[in-house]
Amino acid sequence: SQTIHQWPATLVQPVGSPLSLECTVEGTSNPNLYWYRQAAGRGLQLLFYSVGIGQISSEVPQNLSASRPQDRQFILSSKKLLLSDSGFYLCAWRDYSGAEQYFGPGTRLTVT
Amino acid sequence: KQEVTQIPAALSVPEGENLVLNCSFTDSAIYNLQWFRQDPGKGLTSLLLIQSSQREQTSGRLNASLDKSSGRSTLYIAASQPGDSATYLCAVRPQGGGFKTIFGAGTRLFVKA
Repeated sequence: SQTIHQWPATLVQPVGSPLSLECTVEGTSNPNLYWYRQAAGRGLQLLFYSVGIGQISSEVPQNLSASRPQDRQFILSSKKLLLSDSGFYLCAWRDYSGAEQYFGPGTRLTVT
Repeated sequence: KQEVTQIPAALSVPEGENLVLNCSFTDSAIYNLQWFRQDPGKGLTSLLLIQSSQREQTSGRLNASLDKSSGRSTLYIAASQPGDSATYLCAVRPQGGGFKTIFGAGTRLFVKA
């Protein structure tokens, strides 16, 4: 069966510090991968998605970036965090047939 | 541009009641619609997926319907329980949108014991 992991689970970082969040998927090949952000009391905002290694599509201009160095690994990064980057970050995957989407447990990021 | 709306934003019901959550979308050209559950501080759990060619899907006490022509889906929860308390989100995968998914803001459900 497929499993999706995210770490860390929680993170508190000062403004201006770098960020690296990691997501890995097990039990599938060539998944479509997604990064979402959920701000307090708001819906899900799609940040990035990837259909293959090295292929990243950005949905929202911001100081975040994403990379996919391996088939089942998706990384969200920032060189300098802003207060507005605080939120709940969710990684998701969808198999190559494009049907059901599955989510990881999320990372709670607080920028102070 | 596809938009997804969920009504009501919040709902409080006594235990045992049957209830309906609503989801509407502006463009009927979709591949599928998916309902999720989110507990506080947790990720999303997939409940039901309805393909565009389907009218409904059932899982236990949950039944989701899809009326693509009118841009509506409903999630029916039978005999609600306190453990059903969570936020329920619907999401559509639009045709021509690549592999993107458009989410509603969710309905926060509270079932009172």
